[in-house]
Amino acid sequence: IAGITQAPTSQILAAGRRMTLRCTQDMRHNAMYWYRQDLGLGLRLIHYSNTAGTTGKGEVPDGYSVSRANTDDFPLTLASAVPSQTSVYFCASSDGTSGSLEQFFGPGTRLTVL
Amino acid sequence: GQNIDQPTEMTATEGAIVQINCTYQTSGFNGLFWYQQHAGEAPTFLSYNVLDGLEEKGRFSSFLSRSKGYSYLLLKELQMKDSASYLCAVRDGDYKLSFGAGTTVTVRA
Repeated sequence: IAGITQAPTSQILAAGRRMTLRCTQDMRHNAMYWYRQDLGLGLRLIHYSNTAGTTGKGEVPDGYSVSRANTDDFPLTLASAVPSQTSVYFCASSDGTSGSLEQFFGPGTRLTVL
Repeated sequence: GQNIDQPTEMTATEGAIVQINCTYQTSGFNGLFWYQQHAGEAPTFLSYNVLDGLEEKGRFSSFLSRSKGYSYLLLKELQMKDSASYLCAVRDGDYKLSFGAGTTVTVRA
C-alpha cells in the first residue's frame, strides 16, 4: 500500500511555463488537500476537495487550479509559473473532515521557479 | 483569518522534557492537531484534542484549553530522534486546517 504519492519529487521550472503536480492516494479517502510550505510561514492551504467532483479555495489559491475527477487523483496546476511559487508542495488526504480523522501527507514536491 | 503562534525554536538535552506551547485565534473551532515533521520529510500525525484536558500517548502528551485558546505538546524522555519540527494545527468552523509556522526542537546529547 503506497498511501499518497506525489510526482515529480522535484522540478526546476522557467517562469511562465505551465506545470502540473500530480497526487494520487490509494486509501479511498474522500477529502484531499494541497498545501505549500515556505520557511517561516508553515503550511498554507491552496485548494481542497471534500469529495470527488467538488473543489474549494484555501488560503492562497491565486495562480493555482485543481480538479477532482475521481476519488484517487487530485492534480494541482500552475498555469503560468512565477518565482514566488517556489516552494515545497504537499498533497494530503483524510477519510473525512470531522472528528479525529487526521490528514495523511504525501512526500512533497520541491518546485523552483526561475 | 486564523492566527496560530508557537515558538520558533527550542533546544533540550536527551532524556529531558520539553513543552511546546501553541496559542490560537480562529474563526470557529473543531479540534486541534499536533504533527511532527523531520527535515525533508512529510508531516506525520501525533495527537488530536477537541475537549479540554490532557491526552497522553506514550512519551507524548497534548493539552487543550479552549477558553484560553491554548494548547501544549509535552515530549518526555527526549531521544535524539525527536529532533524535528512540531506543527500546531487548528481545524476551524469550515473544517479546514490552519497551521502554525512550527517549532524546531533540537535534542542535544
